[in-house]
Amino acid sequence: ETGVTQTPRHLVMGMTNKKSLKCEQHLGHNAMYWYKQSAKKPLELMFVYNFKEQTENNSVPSRFSPECPNSSHLFLHLHTLQPEDSALYLCASSRRLDGVMGYTFGSGTRLTVV
Amino acid sequence: GIQVEQSPPDLILQEGANSTLRCNFSDSVNNLQWFHQNPWGQLINLFYIPSGTKQNGRLSATTVATERYSLLYISSSQTTDSGVYFCAVSTGANSKLTFGKGITLSVRP
Repeated sequence: ETGVTQTPRHLVMGMTNKKSLKCEQHLGHNAMYWYKQSAKKPLELMFVYNFKEQTENNSVPSRFSPECPNSSHLFLHLHTLQPEDSALYLCASSRRLDGVMGYTFGSGTRLTVV
Repeated sequence: GIQVEQSPPDLILQEGANSTLRCNFSDSVNNLQWFHQNPWGQLINLFYIPSGTKQNGRLSATTVATERYSLLYISSSQTTDSGVYFCAVSTGANSKLTFGKGITLSVRP
């Protein structure tokens, strides 16, 4: 375990479903991130939160809706997704927004949209 | 934005062999990490190494920040070393951690 826990590990959902991904860390980190990893593509940053405030939205479609109720928890709410949204979604955290001391990643949620 | 290039893209080794993985980056960085992604997708942090040299068992890494490259050395490779190795950097100007495309390593018994 890295200290960053993601649930569920696997998710299959239809295009009309609504589901949520959860991430939690108890490392005392103040910044949390969502990344998307599609097949044959580099990891893409989606959202950044610092002290539970969103600081970056990397042009992500509105069918992905993040929520950060506190510095330890991060959610990604999904609705009306497309098959091309199938990917591995990774959550990460860091002590500071500038990444000094490094980033820690969770195990990811493998999402399949059918 | 900053560019990160890793080489070689693919590497096949016989168990017991040594290897060197390279990461070049196009700007000054305040953070550089090497990750190993296992077959289940988990990114395991190997080294936080914005400069200098570190060793952890059979793995070691060196970053020469002034020349904008980092090397990951794997000695006496094992089949469990197989997977994708990513180099990722951030510049401190923002929080974005930029990843290279990864190096796919296959270690054969």
